[in-house]
Amino acid sequence: KAGVTQTPRYLIKTRGQQVTLSCSPISGHRSVSWYQQTPGQGLQFLFEYFSETQRNKGNFPGRFSGRQFSNSRSEMNVSTLELGDSALYLCASSLIFSRTGGRETQYFGPGTRLLVL
Amino acid sequence: GNSVTQMEGPVTLSEEAFLTINCTYTATGYPSLFWYVQYPGEGLQLLLKATKADDKGSNKGFEATYRKETTSFHLEKGSVQVSDSAVYFCALSDSPQGAQKLVFGQGTRLTINP
Repeated sequence: KAGVTQTPRYLIKTRGQQVTLSCSPISGHRSVSWYQQTPGQGLQFLFEYFSETQRNKGNFPGRFSGRQFSNSRSEMNVSTLELGDSALYLCASSLIFSRTGGRETQYFGPGTRLLVL
Repeated sequence: GNSVTQMEGPVTLSEEAFLTINCTYTATGYPSLFWYVQYPGEGLQLLLKATKADDKGSNKGFEATYRKETTSFHLEKGSVQVSDSAVYFCALSDSPQGAQKLVFGQGTRLTINP
């Protein structure tokens, strides 16, 4: 079974631009989460989607947004890029069983490395 | 809120040495606990997990036991190899209203010298 895929793998943008990152979850997984990884802040949760609905959101400004499609693929968008948005953006998917709530294992993709100049 | 604290790195060991990376957590309820590993230039790979108190997760010679009384989930390996060099992250599931969310420790960089 194919793993989580993310595109593009690398991206260079300039301040003020916007960017869209894509994530395809493992087949059958319906939950997709996004994380930002930086040397200073470590790994921080951005948001999670399940059945096209955002269920949880981390402490990030409104410039960070996302969505999920009916096939569970997800995109995240960052508008008005700032230098501090340079990071590795990781997507993770998980298989949700209602009886165990939100404690399922998350499987990560290779990430998209974004550099803002 | 929930949080995870890992031992400060970097950690440098010789091949075949014993490894311990400490991880403690603060959480309400009963989170699941995870260790993930990140190799250079890659995403996170699940190393092992435990879902309830006294569970032991194990994989590739690594082990960790969910200790509720000490709120710990220390990672151990009896004999490390050069290929174990990576950054290791301890994490807990923080799942408000069933949503998926992981809270990570700061990561511990491990270097194994031959």
